[in-house]
Amino acid sequence: KQEVTQIPAALSVPEGENLVLNCSFTDSAIYNLQWFRQDPGKGLTSLLLIQSSQREQTSGRLNASLDKSSGRSTLYIAASQPGDSATYLCAVRLSDGANSKLTFGKGITLSVRP
Amino acid sequence: DADVTQTPRNRITKTGKRIMLECSQTKGHDRMYWYRQDPGLGLQLIYYSFDVKDINKGEISDGYSVSRQAQAKFSLSLESAIPNQTALYFCATSDFPRTGNNEQFFGPGTRLTVL
Repeated sequence: KQEVTQIPAALSVPEGENLVLNCSFTDSAIYNLQWFRQDPGKGLTSLLLIQSSQREQTSGRLNASLDKSSGRSTLYIAASQPGDSATYLCAVRLSDGANSKLTFGKGITLSVRP
Repeated sequence: DADVTQTPRNRITKTGKRIMLECSQTKGHDRMYWYRQDPGLGLQLIYYSFDVKDINKGEISDGYSVSRQAQAKFSLSLESAIPNQTALYFCATSDFPRTGNNEQFFGPGTRLTVL
């Protein structure tokens, strides 16, 4: 059974710091991995999706990397801002293909201090 | 306007009551999903639908039912609500197979409290 772990559960950093959020998964045979942002009381916003054949994806100040062999993904946030404060979740889809379900981590709650 | 909307956004009900949560989307996606989120447990899949009239059970379907009578609408019902169904419920859509990656897009959520 695929398990997705995100440690630590919470993180607090000063504004301007570059930071890395980690995601690990137990079954390396994945189809793709998706990073989401969740604001308090709100839905999930898709940030980046990495296919199993890709090593990284970039969007603005965000960069997500994928290392299937070690079962790890990282979300890099450059020059963090208070507006980046939110919970970040990663989710993986197994290599059964696009029909397989997403398995979510529990998320990392990020606080960026002004 | 939001592409995926959910109604109601908040609901408080009593044990034993029947509850329906609605999801509508304007994205034109065929696939729709219902998840619940509990503090400390992450998101779990309840039901999903790949097309109108297509229904599939997820990880935690017991106590729930769904209806997909139009491409744009997917409703979740709790026939007899119980307190451990108190959670945040999310609807999601995806554009597969038109796009090959099955990226999912989420609604804003419904906070359900069962007393």
